[in-house]
Amino acid sequence: EAGVTQFPSHSVIEKGQTVTLRCDPISGHDNLYWYRRVMGKEIKFLLHFVKESKQDESGMPNNRFLAERTGGTYSTLKVQPAELEDSGVYFCASSPYRAENTIYFGEGSWLTVV
Amino acid sequence: ILNVEQSPQSLHVQEGDSTNFTCSFPSSNFYALHWYRWETAKSPEALFVMTLNGDEKKKGRISATLNTKEGYSYLYIKGSQPEDSATYLCAFTAGGFKTIFGAGTRLFVKA
Repeated sequence: EAGVTQFPSHSVIEKGQTVTLRCDPISGHDNLYWYRRVMGKEIKFLLHFVKESKQDESGMPNNRFLAERTGGTYSTLKVQPAELEDSGVYFCASSPYRAENTIYFGEGSWLTVV
Repeated sequence: ILNVEQSPQSLHVQEGDSTNFTCSFPSSNFYALHWYRWETAKSPEALFVMTLNGDEKKKGRISATLNTKEGYSYLYIKGSQPEDSATYLCAFTAGGFKTIFGAGTRLFVKA
């Protein structure tokens, strides 16, 4: 069974540019989460989808970040325009719609804004 | 506000030592408590998911306990090995299935 896959694995962009990160969750997983870890800090929650609906987006830092999950399958996280402080690793995770289930993480998308 | 606290922040032990870390979480609206092991440049690896007060889980030399009434969980490592060096993350799932992570405990095991 394929795990959570993320693309791109690494991205280097200039300040002011746009980047779109993609996450393909494990097939059948209704829960999809985005987290990020900026350098030296802890993993921070960004948002949570249940199927195509945003269950909780309280962790989104500002309106430069836009997440979508059309059709309840894959999700995208767009940063526009990117700022230096957006550099870090963005993790996507998925789980079935039961709290006691393990949340499976992707390998992360490493973003560097220069 | 959901807050998950882990202590200590970091820990240095000698090979063969046993050690433990603490995770504190809100005692209300509890659904599940997760422990993950995270090595730098890799994705977090699930160790345990616990849902019931008094739960104890074990995987090899690693075990965990859960107290939902007082809002804490302990992770124990028996006979630490250098390959146990990693960051150990605790995560709390509340109603609505929002999962919040603690800052982690960074473990260094010296040979």
